Amino acid sequence: ETGVTQTPRHLVMGMTNKKSLKCEQHLGHNAMYWYKQSAKKPLELMFVYNFKEQTENNSVPSRFSPECPNSSHLFLHLHTLQPEDSALYLCASSQDPGQVGPGANVLTFGAGSRLTVL
Amino acid sequence: AQSVTQPDIHITVSEGASLELRCNYSYGATPYLFWYVQSPGQGLQLLLKYFSGDTLVQGIKGFEAEFKRSQSSFNLRKPSVHWSDAAEYFCAVGDNSGGSNYKLTFGKGTLLTVNP
Repeated sequence: ETGVTQTPRHLVMGMTNKKSLKCEQHLGHNAMYWYKQSAKKPLELMFVYNFKEQTENNSVPSRFSPECPNSSHLFLHLHTLQPEDSALYLCASSQDPGQVGPGANVLTFGAGSRLTVL
Repeated sequence: AQSVTQPDIHITVSEGASLELRCNYSYGATPYLFWYVQSPGQGLQLLLKYFSGDTLVQGIKGFEAEFKRSQSSFNLRKPSVHWSDAAEYFCAVGDNSGGSNYKLTFGKGTLLTVNP
């Protein structure tokens, strides 16, 4: 248990469905992230939220819609996805992305949500 | 832009043998460097990190890594591998210029198989 919990762990959806991924962190961190992990590709940063404000959208298609109601919760709303969106979606948190020094950039990851789009 | 190269996609070692996983980075200044490990069906777990000072960094599970500026490398080592070390290992570089220093760039990973 890392302190970052993702649900559901597995999700199968059709291209016309609407679903959501949920992430919750119990670490008191101020920043939360969504990463996409596809086979044989590096982790792709999708979104960053710092103190509930979105500070990064890495050219992600609009069929992915993030929501961060508070510093402990992060959602990824999915709509009209494509089969190539099938991947492991990882949520992470960090204490303070603006921090410089030993605590900077230290991400704590959840176990991921495995998404399959049919 | 920063980048990370892990030249070895897959490595197989025997249990008890030594291990070295390679990582090369590209970054304009002294980077923040990380190694993460991912077991099957799990997220990534931090093994160790380098920020400054001693270039030999100790991590969890008996791993260590050495930062070599002249070679732009941050190789991960373990003197004796255990079967439980079988996993995928990711090297990452962070931007320490302030402000946007939350951006980690990951390599593609090295899959480690451990033979009994």
